[in-house]
Amino acid sequence: DAKTTQPPSMDCAEGRAANLPCNHSTISGNEYVYWYRQIHSQGPQYIIHGLKNNETNEMASLIITEDRKSSTLILPHATLRDTAVYYCIVDSGAGSYQLTFGKGTKLSVIP
Amino acid sequence: DAGVIQSPRHEVTEMGQEVTLRCKPISGHDYLFWYRQTMMRGLELLIYFNNNVPIDDSGMPEDRFSAKMPNASFSTLKIQPSEPRDSAVYFCASSSGTPQQYFGPGTRLTVL
Repeated sequence: DAKTTQPPSMDCAEGRAANLPCNHSTISGNEYVYWYRQIHSQGPQYIIHGLKNNETNEMASLIITEDRKSSTLILPHATLRDTAVYYCIVDSGAGSYQLTFGKGTKLSVIP
Repeated sequence: DAGVIQSPRHEVTEMGQEVTLRCKPISGHDYLFWYRQTMMRGLELLIYFNNNVPIDDSGMPEDRFSAKMPNASFSTLKIQPSEPRDSAVYFCASSSGTPQQYFGPGTRLTVL
């Protein structure tokens, strides 16, 4: 059973904020939400992760709803280089941090 | 830091041949992961090591696949004999036991 649900694709205008949603309605109390992205022909790249609180780093912001059943990754000013597949992953992170990648969202940033 | 290094970047071989993929993790990382990515199945975890010891190989597709980590700075994934359905991009990743895994550039394997 998939732990997360993401739209298969999204478009965003260059310079605008890209808001990528993720549903994880069966998330348990000790599970983190991780976001990775994969630019064409490259290995996946870690973006951000969170447990309960909203998080921000130099790449993006992560907004987690109070019930933790969904989250949104925000790229504040999308550029053409942000065109990639974005993966939302839920995992307990206990010990090994094994990651199960789903199909992700293909984000296309349009000039 | 050079990041995770994988070699070769591209490998073309014929069915039945042995294939060896190599990975050098980031220095100081004690977790190493091997993934396979195909259009049909997406990105799948094959096996991972902690402190050079294989912890979970449940993702390894069959006995033709084997992985070793003889020391903290080197790991191999071997396929013997190779089959066309093994064609994929194989990624190696390492971490220091945090949620942040660092992936290598991958090896694109084509088995004819």
